[in-house]
Amino acid sequence: AQSVTQLDSQVPVFEEAPVELRCNYSSSVSVYLFWYVQYPNQGLQLLLKYLSGSTLVKGINGFEAEFNKSQTSFHLRKPSVHISDTAEYFCAVSEPPSNDYKLSFGAGTTVTVRA
Amino acid sequence: SQTIHQWPATLVQPVGSPLSLECTVEGTSNPNLYWYRQAAGRGLQLLFYSVGIGQISSEVPQNLSASRPQDRQFILSSKKLLLSDSGFYLCAWRRKHEQFFGPGTRLTVL
Repeated sequence: AQSVTQLDSQVPVFEEAPVELRCNYSSSVSVYLFWYVQYPNQGLQLLLKYLSGSTLVKGINGFEAEFNKSQTSFHLRKPSVHISDTAEYFCAVSEPPSNDYKLSFGAGTTVTVRA
Repeated sequence: SQTIHQWPATLVQPVGSPLSLECTVEGTSNPNLYWYRQAAGRGLQLLFYSVGIGQISSEVPQNLSASRPQDRQFILSSKKLLLSDSGFYLCAWRRKHEQFFGPGTRLTVL
């Protein structure tokens, strides 16, 4: 069975500073990996995804993530954050196609950007 | 284009009352549909998923149930709500490897 651990529950950061959100997963098979963002009282929006190929994936809003198979990690980064990046971020894993593409989510990381 | 709707947006219900949350998808046919719950300070937990009309798989034993009476309609129900049912309920549909989420329903059980 797949599982996801987000190592930081809260990350405060100053505007224009870099940010890294850590995500580790466990699975016995090949996986798809995702990062979602959730703004207050809204649904989830996909930031980026890793399916195969290049381990460095770029997403929307200047975010990128790197898949590391040996460390079973998929950390999210942004070199310079804005106030508007204040949100909750979720890492998720899927074990296709055997499990109907069901997603397992981490507990989330709350990012608070201060001026 | 495809869109996903959930209603109501917010709901306050007393303990022991029934529940019905609705999710509909437009612009696609025979989608896989999912219900997730997000409790305060926790991640998303998959509750139910459906691969077709009348086909429901339950992921977590609880006092909730789901139904799919039509191709693009997914309903989450309960006969008697518990305090622990409070949370943010999200519906999603799948295209290939990606899931798309609705705006969610905030449920408060008092």
